[in-house]
Formats: sequence, C-alpha cells, structure tokens
Amino acid sequence: DAGVTQSPTHLIKTRGQQVTLRCSPKSGHDTVSWYQQALGQGPQFIFQYYEEEERQRGNFPDRFSGHQFPNYSSELNVNALLLGDSALYLCAGQNSGANVLTFGAGSRLTVL
Amino acid sequence: KNQVEQSPQSLIILEGKNCTLQCNYTVSPFSNLRWYKQDTGRGPVSLTIMTFSENTKSNGRYTATLDADTKQSSLHITASQLSDSASYICVVSKKGCDYKLSFGAGTTVTVRA
Repeated sequence: DAGVTQSPTHLIKTRGQQVTLRCSPKSGHDTVSWYQQALGQGPQFIFQYYEEEERQRGNFPDRFSGHQFPNYSSELNVNALLLGDSALYLCAGQNSGANVLTFGAGSRLTVL
Repeated sequence: KNQVEQSPQSLIILEGKNCTLQCNYTVSPFSNLRWYKQDTGRGPVSLTIMTFSENTKSNGRYTATLDADTKQSSLHITASQLSDSASYICVVSKKGCDYKLSFGAGTTVTVRA
C-alpha cells in the first residue's frame, strides 16, 4: 500500500511564475491538508480539502489555491510567486474519522 | 505568538546516550498532542499521539510524557542511535478543530558516533 505521494520532489521557479504541486493520499484517506514549511521552521497550515471542497484555510493569501479530485488526490496552486514562497510544501492525508495524519515527503520549491 | 514552543532548538549527543526534548503549549481547549520525527528533506512521521487522559506513551526507544495541567510534554530518547538524527516536532490540536494543528518549530537532534 503506497503512502502519501507528492510530485514533483523538487522544482525551481522564478518570481511571478505559477506552480502546481500534486498529492495522492494513501488508500482510505478522504481528507487532504497542505502545509508550508520554511527552512528551520515547523509546518504552517495552508488549507484542508474534504469531499472536493476547501473545508478550512490558514493565514495564506488568495495566491494559494487548491483542488481535490473525486479520487481524493489534490493539487496546490500558487500564483505570482514571491521569493518568500520558497519552502517545503507538505501534503498530509487522513481519514476524516481519525486523528492520525500521514505526511508525504514534500515538494521542495525554490523561487529565484 | 506560536502556541507551541519547543526547547532546546538543537542539541548534539553521543551515540548510546539519552536525551529529553521539551514542548510547552498554550492551545486551549486541548484535544491531543503528537510528536513527529522529520528526517532532513522528508515529511514528518508520527511517533506518538496522546490525549488529555494519557500521561505517557512509548514507541520503542521513544517515550513521550504529557502533563495537561501544566501544558507540558517531553520526548525522551533512550540509547540514541545515529538514525535518531532528525528534527522532532511537537504538534497540538485544539478540541473541536482537529483539522488545524499547531506545530512547534522543532528540535534538531544530531547523534554523533
């Protein structure tokens, strides 16, 4: 049984560009959360998707948007990239009735 | 202000020695507290999860304690191994808002031979 998979693992963009990150939760997960983790910091909650809708959102601007598909996979989109968006972006899956989060390995985004 | 504070920020220990990491939180009302291990460049992996009624929980050489009255938790690593080198993150969830977790900044542990 595959764990949570994220792609791409690494990518480099320039300021002003747009990026799409992808996440496939493991079997049994119906809820996907996205986190941003700057170097040396703990993850910061971006938003959570359940039943293809954004259920809750952290303190991130509208440049950050997402989507969940019928197969529970999810995308994180970031528009008009800033240097400060450089970070590790983590996806976490869970079953809506359970406490346990399972994280993917993350996508390392570098904005130049 | 971060609702979860961890200390120390980093520490170096010799292989075979023990160490204890601290986590203080202000999240209220409290639901549960988790410790995660995060290897460099990887996603966090759950070590323990404790609810209000649990004082201690072990996972192999990792033992977590919780004092919900003082809002403090510790993670004790026994007989450290080189593979224990990682960042250890304390995560607290708020009752009724389990989707929104409060993460500490982590303690970076380096185990040297």
